[in-house]
Amino acid sequence: GAVVSQHPSRVICKSGTSVKIECRSLDFQATTMFWYRQFPKKSLMLMATSNEGSKATYEQGVEKDKFLINHASLTLSTLTVTSAHPEDSSFYICSAPGSSGYTFGSGTRLTVV
Amino acid sequence: GENVEQHPSTLSVQEGDSAVIKCTYSDSASNYFPWYKQELGKRPQLIIDIRSNVGEKKDQRIAVTLNKTAKHFSLHITETQPEDSAVYFCAASPSGGSNYKLTFGKGTLLTVNP
Repeated sequence: GAVVSQHPSRVICKSGTSVKIECRSLDFQATTMFWYRQFPKKSLMLMATSNEGSKATYEQGVEKDKFLINHASLTLSTLTVTSAHPEDSSFYICSAPGSSGYTFGSGTRLTVV
Repeated sequence: GENVEQHPSTLSVQEGDSAVIKCTYSDSASNYFPWYKQELGKRPQLIIDIRSNVGEKKDQRIAVTLNKTAKHFSLHITETQPEDSAVYFCAASPSGGSNYKLTFGKGTLLTVNP
C-alpha cells in the first residue's frame, strides 16, 4: 500500500533556530500533501496544503512566513518551522491523498527549549 | 468550510460492552467519512470508512452508519477489548483519495476496562 515516510520522528531544538520536517511518498506520486499540527489531547488541525510546483495554501491564522512549505517534487514535501519558539512545540504530521484514502506520515514530535 | 462535531469526548466501557461514537458534519458536499484510531504519539490509523452512497458498512466488530439527510455518522464497536482503548477521530471530506482536505472531529478517548 501507499507509504509516506516522515523524518525526523523527534527533534529538540533551541529557541530561535529552524527545523525542517520531510515527508516522502515512497511508492506513489503525491501531488498534494496536507500538513497538520496536533497539540496534546487535541485533534489534528490542518495548517496548510502543499501542491507540487506551486505555492502552498495556508489555513486561516497560520503564519506562512513562520511555517515554510515546499513541494519541489512529486515525492517530497517539506515543512520548515522558522525561528522556533516553545509555543511551536507540537506533533506535526503530513498526509497525502491516494486512490484508497489518505496516507499519513508517522509524525514529528517537535520540542523547542 | 466544513465543521465536524464529535461526541462524546470521553467514553469508558467495560470489556465486552459496545461503544458508540457520533459525529455530525455541516457541508452537504462531503461524501467521504473515515474513522481513525490514534494511539499516543502515533499516526492515525484508518479503521473504517464510508462513502455517501452507502448507509452502513461493517468490518468484524466495527461498523459505521451514515445518515446523509441528517448529516450524521456513527462508529459502533461491539465486544470491546482493552486493546481498543485509544483516541478515535471521525473526519469528513468532499471526496476521499482526492486533493480535498480532511476535516477532523475533536476526538473521543475510549477506555475499555478489563
